Amino acid sequence: DSGVTQTPKHLITATGQRVTLRCSPRSGDLSVYWYQQSLDQGLQFLIQYYNGEERAKGNILERFSAQQFPDLHSELNLSSLELGDSALYFCASSSRDRTYNEQFFGPGTRLTVL
Amino acid sequence: KNQVEQSPQSLIILEGKNCTLQCNYTVSPFSNLRWYKQDTGRGPVSLTIMTFSENTKSNGRYTATLDADTKQSSLHITASQLSDSASYICVARPNSGGSQGNLIFGKGTKLSVKP
Repeated sequence: DSGVTQTPKHLITATGQRVTLRCSPRSGDLSVYWYQQSLDQGLQFLIQYYNGEERAKGNILERFSAQQFPDLHSELNLSSLELGDSALYFCASSSRDRTYNEQFFGPGTRLTVL
Repeated sequence: KNQVEQSPQSLIILEGKNCTLQCNYTVSPFSNLRWYKQDTGRGPVSLTIMTFSENTKSNGRYTATLDADTKQSSLHITASQLSDSASYICVARPNSGGSQGNLIFGKGTKLSVKP
């Protein structure tokens, strides 16, 4: 158990809908990262927050957005969902934002868009 | 373009045997390289982190090597166990300063250990 929690574990929805994925980082970790892993693909970095502020942006679609709240939990919002958005979404956290800080991954949310 | 390539794509070995997984990266400038183990449907778990100045690092039966000159890394698993069945992901961190948010992930090698 990494100490990072994600809810829900599974999510099934229809095209055009909007969903919210939630992540609670390890106690004391300030950085939260969101990743997308499609079938047989590598992890793709979406976005990072550090202590409530956006720190880095990856290949995140305009239909997707995220935020980190004062209690440091984070939410990833996916809207106007398409079939291709079906994937595993992982959240990771690290204590700070230093080069060698280890990232601890949550168990993921499996999103299925029908 | 920063990329991480892993080989083989998949591998089947018998329990108790050793194996070596390969990783080539074209990340530059380079800061550090990580190996993760990902069980099916679970989040990745870190095995090793090596800086550009380190040649080898061990974590139990896992030993990672790094050659920053040839931009190659390997992960050697000794005396494999059934629980080693998983995907092994090589991850490179560019030395671009700033956040960690630009880790470059390989697609992984899927290892199956058979009894």
